[in-house]
Amino acid sequence: GIQVEQSPPDLILQEGANSTLRCNFSDSVNNLQWFHQNPWGQLINLFYIPSGTKQNGRLSATTVATERYSLLYISSSQTTDSGVYFCAVGRSYSSASKIIFGSGTRLSIRP
Amino acid sequence: DAGVTQSPTHLIKTRGQQVTLRCSPKSGHDTVSWYQQALGQGPQFIFQYYEEEERQRGNFPDRFSGHQFPNYSSELNVNALLLGDSALYLCASSQTETTVPYEQYFGPGTRLTVT
Repeated sequence: GIQVEQSPPDLILQEGANSTLRCNFSDSVNNLQWFHQNPWGQLINLFYIPSGTKQNGRLSATTVATERYSLLYISSSQTTDSGVYFCAVGRSYSSASKIIFGSGTRLSIRP
Repeated sequence: DAGVTQSPTHLIKTRGQQVTLRCSPKSGHDTVSWYQQALGQGPQFIFQYYEEEERQRGNFPDRFSGHQFPNYSSELNVNALLLGDSALYLCASSQTETTVPYEQYFGPGTRLTVT
């Protein structure tokens, strides 16, 4: 099956700093999502980005499908950005398919 | 527009018991997937339901079973509970009637503790 690796596993930053989270995957995919898991366990959709670049406020993401990686950028970090960030990928030639998660990057933003 | 809902939020069971978790998908979605998330790990796919049938299954034993109802809501049943079944159980909904994989949306989860 597809393997998903996220780096770094842990990241501690001061408020206002910028960060880049990486997701590598072992095979071609046509589904890639980034999530933020808050302290209560809720997975919040950040981006659906099987290829290309998207931006939403202070967050942006880029997926280079041919090189099998995706990057999540967080600028001007706030304490509310703390939590675990997951990348999840899938490959299906029909619609709705399972997605495979990486082990996550735990981000801690210090005030 | 209601998102994905799950019940109950927390549950404590004893080894050997059986448990049923419930999920209602996001409005307009017809496919429900279930995931198990152990502490400190990423969610692991259990199975997916569409048109009231199990369409895909992950590497989980037969003690894990499910059901989807005509209104697209779903249940996850776990029999003969083990301590290792303690986890956060997440339900995700998506839409099948598209030609490309569709974004999945997750509910708040049910935290199951087995003692």
